[in-house]
Amino acid sequence: IAGITQAPTSQILAAGRRMTLRCTQDMRHNAMYWYRQDLGLGLRLIHYSNTAGTTGKGEVPDGYSVSRANTDDFPLTLASAVPSQTSVYFCATSPSRSETQYFGPGTRLLVL
Amino acid sequence: DQQVKQNSPSLSVQEGRISILNCDYTNSMFDYFLWYKKYPAEGPTFLISISSIKDKNEDGRFTVFLNKSAKHLSLHIVPSQPGDSAVYFCAARGGSQGNLIFGKGTKLSVKP
Repeated sequence: IAGITQAPTSQILAAGRRMTLRCTQDMRHNAMYWYRQDLGLGLRLIHYSNTAGTTGKGEVPDGYSVSRANTDDFPLTLASAVPSQTSVYFCATSPSRSETQYFGPGTRLLVL
Repeated sequence: DQQVKQNSPSLSVQEGRISILNCDYTNSMFDYFLWYKKYPAEGPTFLISISSIKDKNEDGRFTVFLNKSAKHLSLHIVPSQPGDSAVYFCAARGGSQGNLIFGKGTKLSVKP
Protein backbone atom coordinates (compact mmCIF):
# COMPACT_ATOMS: atom_id res chain seq x y z
CA ILE A 1 0.00 0.00 0.00
CA ALA A 2 1.33 3.43 -0.88
CA GLY A 3 -0.40 6.43 0.67
CA ILE A 4 -4.19 6.36 0.78
CA THR A 5 -6.39 3.69 -0.75
CA GLN A 6 -10.15 3.83 -1.14
CA ALA A 7 -12.53 1.01 -1.97
CA PRO A 8 -14.57 0.46 -3.98
CA THR A 9 -13.49 2.64 -6.90
CA SER A 10 -17.10 2.96 -7.95
CA GLN A 11 -20.44 1.54 -6.93
CA ILE A 12 -24.06 1.57 -8.06
CA LEU A 13 -26.38 1.19 -5.10
CA ALA A 14 -30.12 0.82 -4.74
CA ALA A 15 -31.79 3.39 -2.52
CA GLY A 16 -32.36 2.10 0.99
CA ARG A 17 -29.32 -0.16 0.97
CA ARG A 18 -26.48 0.08 3.45
CA MET A 19 -23.01 0.81 2.13
CA THR A 20 -19.57 1.21 3.68
CA LEU A 21 -16.84 3.09 1.87
CA ARG A 22 -13.39 2.07 2.97
CA CYS A 23 -10.32 4.25 3.46
CA THR A 24 -6.92 2.94 4.50
CA GLN A 25 -3.66 4.82 4.90
CA ASP A 26 -0.11 3.71 5.53
CA MET A 27 1.38 7.08 6.40
CA ARG A 28 0.55 6.87 10.12
CA HIS A 29 -1.22 10.22 9.93
CA ASN A 30 -3.27 11.06 12.98
CA ALA A 31 -6.08 12.98 11.30
CA MET A 32 -8.44 11.59 8.67
CA TYR A 33 -11.38 13.11 6.81
CA TRP A 34 -14.25 12.27 4.48
CA TYR A 35 -15.38 14.74 1.83
CA ARG A 36 -17.96 14.62 -0.91
CA GLN A 37 -17.57 16.42 -4.21
CA ASP A 38 -20.62 17.46 -6.15
CA LEU A 39 -20.70 19.34 -9.44
CA GLY A 40 -20.80 23.06 -8.79
CA LEU A 41 -20.39 22.66 -5.03
CA GLY A 42 -16.73 21.89 -4.56
CA LEU A 43 -15.59 19.68 -1.69
CA ARG A 44 -17.62 19.50 1.50
CA LEU A 45 -16.51 17.88 4.75
CA ILE A 46 -18.72 15.04 6.01
CA HIS A 47 -16.87 13.76 9.09
CA TYR A 48 -13.37 13.90 10.47
CA SER A 49 -11.19 12.19 13.06
CA ASN A 50 -8.36 13.96 14.87
CA THR A 51 -6.88 10.70 16.12
CA ALA A 52 -7.81 7.05 16.59
CA GLY A 53 -10.83 6.71 18.83
CA THR A 54 -12.27 10.18 18.14
CA THR A 55 -14.60 11.50 15.44
CA GLY A 56 -16.34 14.77 14.67
CA LYS A 57 -19.02 16.14 12.39
CA GLY A 58 -18.26 18.27 9.39
CA GLU A 59 -20.44 20.46 7.23
CA VAL A 60 -22.75 17.74 5.82
CA PRO A 61 -22.86 14.79 8.29
CA ASP A 62 -26.52 13.78 8.02
CA GLY A 63 -27.05 10.26 6.68
CA TYR A 64 -23.44 9.26 7.29
CA SER A 65 -21.52 7.69 10.15
CA VAL A 66 -17.84 6.98 10.73
CA SER A 67 -15.64 5.07 13.13
CA ARG A 68 -11.93 5.19 13.87
CA ALA A 69 -10.91 2.00 15.62
CA ASN A 70 -7.24 2.36 14.66
CA THR A 71 -4.85 4.81 13.02
CA ASP A 72 -4.98 3.34 9.52
CA ASP A 73 -8.68 2.86 8.76
CA PHE A 74 -11.57 5.32 8.58
CA PRO A 75 -14.71 3.74 7.07
CA LEU A 76 -17.71 5.83 6.05
CA THR A 77 -21.13 4.19 6.32
CA LEU A 78 -24.37 5.15 4.63
CA ALA A 79 -27.01 3.40 6.74
CA SER A 80 -29.82 3.77 4.20
CA ALA A 81 -28.67 5.34 0.94
CA VAL A 82 -30.73 8.02 -0.80
CA PRO A 83 -30.29 9.41 -4.34
CA SER A 84 -28.98 12.73 -2.98
CA GLN A 85 -25.95 10.83 -1.71
CA THR A 86 -24.87 10.24 -5.30
CA SER A 87 -21.45 11.86 -5.33
CA VAL A 88 -17.72 11.33 -5.48
CA TYR A 89 -16.32 10.61 -2.02
CA PHE A 90 -12.77 11.46 -1.06
CA CYS A 91 -10.87 10.35 2.00
CA ALA A 92 -8.01 12.56 3.16
CA THR A 93 -5.35 12.41 5.85
CA SER A 94 -2.96 14.81 7.55
CA PRO A 95 -0.21 14.31 10.12
CA SER A 96 -2.21 16.44 12.52
CA ARG A 97 -5.35 18.56 12.29
CA SER A 98 -3.36 21.71 11.55
CA GLU A 99 -1.25 20.33 8.72
CA THR A 100 -1.76 19.89 4.98
CA GLN A 101 -4.32 17.30 3.93
CA TYR A 102 -3.59 14.62 1.34
CA PHE A 103 -6.37 12.99 -0.63
CA GLY A 104 -7.14 9.48 -1.80
CA PRO A 105 -8.27 8.65 -5.34
CA GLY A 106 -11.98 8.75 -4.53
CA THR A 107 -15.07 6.51 -4.74
CA ARG A 108 -17.81 7.28 -7.26
CA LEU A 109 -21.20 6.36 -5.83
CA LEU A 110 -24.46 6.32 -7.73
CA VAL A 111 -27.63 5.77 -5.69
CA LEU A 112 -30.68 4.84 -7.73
CA ASP B 1 -23.39 31.51 2.40
CA GLN B 2 -20.12 30.79 0.64
CA GLN B 3 -17.11 31.63 2.75
CA VAL B 4 -14.63 30.83 -0.04
CA LYS B 5 -15.50 31.92 -3.54
CA GLN B 6 -13.94 31.14 -6.86
CA ASN B 7 -15.99 33.27 -9.19
CA SER B 8 -14.54 32.00 -12.46
CA PRO B 9 -15.73 28.46 -13.25
CA SER B 10 -13.25 28.22 -16.09
CA LEU B 11 -10.15 29.85 -17.55
CA SER B 12 -8.41 29.28 -20.87
CA VAL B 13 -4.76 30.28 -21.38
CA GLN B 14 -2.20 29.84 -24.12
CA GLU B 15 0.83 27.67 -23.37
CA GLY B 16 3.75 29.74 -22.13
CA ARG B 17 1.57 32.58 -20.85
CA ILE B 18 0.61 33.35 -17.27
CA SER B 19 -2.44 31.75 -15.64
CA ILE B 20 -4.03 33.70 -12.79
CA LEU B 21 -6.64 31.97 -10.66
CA ASN B 22 -8.52 34.03 -8.12
CA CYS B 23 -10.17 33.30 -4.81
CA ASP B 24 -12.09 35.55 -2.40
CA TYR B 25 -13.04 34.82 1.19
CA THR B 26 -15.36 36.40 3.69
CA ASN B 27 -14.15 35.15 7.07
CA SER B 28 -11.38 37.32 8.53
CA MET B 29 -10.54 34.51 10.98
CA PHE B 30 -9.08 32.36 8.19
CA ASP B 31 -5.35 32.10 8.83
CA TYR B 32 -4.12 29.54 6.33
CA PHE B 33 -4.86 29.13 2.65
CA LEU B 34 -4.15 26.31 0.24
CA TRP B 35 -4.46 25.52 -3.44
CA TYR B 36 -5.22 22.02 -4.67
CA LYS B 37 -5.10 20.73 -8.21
CA LYS B 38 -7.41 17.99 -9.43
CA TYR B 39 -7.24 15.89 -12.58
CA PRO B 40 -10.35 13.95 -13.72
CA ALA B 41 -10.89 10.64 -11.89
CA GLU B 42 -8.15 11.46 -9.37
CA GLY B 43 -8.10 12.92 -5.88
CA PRO B 44 -7.07 16.54 -5.29
CA THR B 45 -3.31 17.09 -5.01
CA PHE B 46 -1.83 19.71 -2.71
CA LEU B 47 -0.09 22.42 -4.70
CA ILE B 48 0.94 25.35 -2.53
CA SER B 49 -0.11 27.12 0.65
CA ILE B 50 0.30 30.44 2.41
CA SER B 51 -0.04 31.58 5.99
CA SER B 52 -1.89 34.79 6.78
CA ILE B 53 1.33 36.29 8.15
CA LYS B 54 2.78 36.29 4.62
CA ASP B 55 1.69 37.97 1.43
CA LYS B 56 3.51 35.77 -1.05
CA ASN B 57 4.76 32.22 -1.34
CA GLU B 58 6.60 30.84 -4.32
CA ASP B 59 7.33 27.28 -5.44
CA GLY B 60 8.81 26.92 -8.89
CA ARG B 61 6.29 28.03 -11.48
CA PHE B 62 3.60 28.53 -8.85
CA THR B 63 3.19 31.66 -6.73
CA VAL B 64 0.35 32.43 -4.34
CA PHE B 65 -0.39 36.03 -3.37
CA LEU B 66 -2.49 36.98 -0.36
CA ASN B 67 -4.14 40.37 0.10
CA LYS B 68 -5.69 40.27 3.57
CA SER B 69 -7.24 43.71 3.42
CA ALA B 70 -9.12 42.70 0.28
CA LYS B 71 -9.69 39.12 1.53
CA HIS B 72 -8.34 37.92 -1.79
CA LEU B 73 -5.75 35.40 -2.88
CA SER B 74 -4.52 34.42 -6.28
CA LEU B 75 -2.46 31.63 -7.80
CA HIS B 76 -0.07 32.52 -10.60
CA ILE B 77 1.33 29.86 -12.89
CA VAL B 78 4.22 31.00 -15.07
CA PRO B 79 4.79 29.73 -17.68
CA SER B 80 1.62 27.71 -18.13
CA GLN B 81 1.95 24.23 -19.58
CA PRO B 82 -0.67 21.89 -21.10
CA GLY B 83 -0.12 19.53 -18.15
CA ASP B 84 -1.41 22.28 -15.87
CA SER B 85 -4.89 21.77 -17.32
CA ALA B 86 -6.97 20.69 -14.32
CA VAL B 87 -9.49 21.96 -11.81
CA TYR B 88 -7.95 24.17 -9.13
CA PHE B 89 -9.53 24.46 -5.71
CA CYS B 90 -8.82 27.22 -3.24
CA ALA B 91 -9.23 26.28 0.44
CA ALA B 92 -9.10 28.22 3.70
CA ARG B 93 -8.80 27.27 7.35
CA GLY B 94 -9.69 29.17 10.47
CA GLY B 95 -7.36 28.23 13.31
CA SER B 96 -5.21 25.13 13.85
CA GLN B 97 -8.24 22.95 14.58
CA GLY B 98 -10.46 24.49 11.95
CA ASN B 99 -11.96 22.65 9.02
CA LEU B 100 -10.83 23.37 5.49
CA ILE B 101 -13.45 25.29 3.54
CA PHE B 102 -13.17 24.79 -0.20
CA GLY B 103 -14.20 26.96 -3.11
CA LYS B 104 -16.14 25.46 -6.00
CA GLY B 105 -13.08 25.24 -8.22
CA THR B 106 -11.84 26.78 -11.46
CA LYS B 107 -11.20 24.62 -14.50
CA LEU B 108 -7.99 25.72 -16.21
CA SER B 109 -7.34 24.79 -19.82
CA VAL B 110 -3.88 25.47 -21.22
CA LYS B 111 -3.88 25.36 -25.01
CA PRO B 112 -0.73 24.27 -26.89
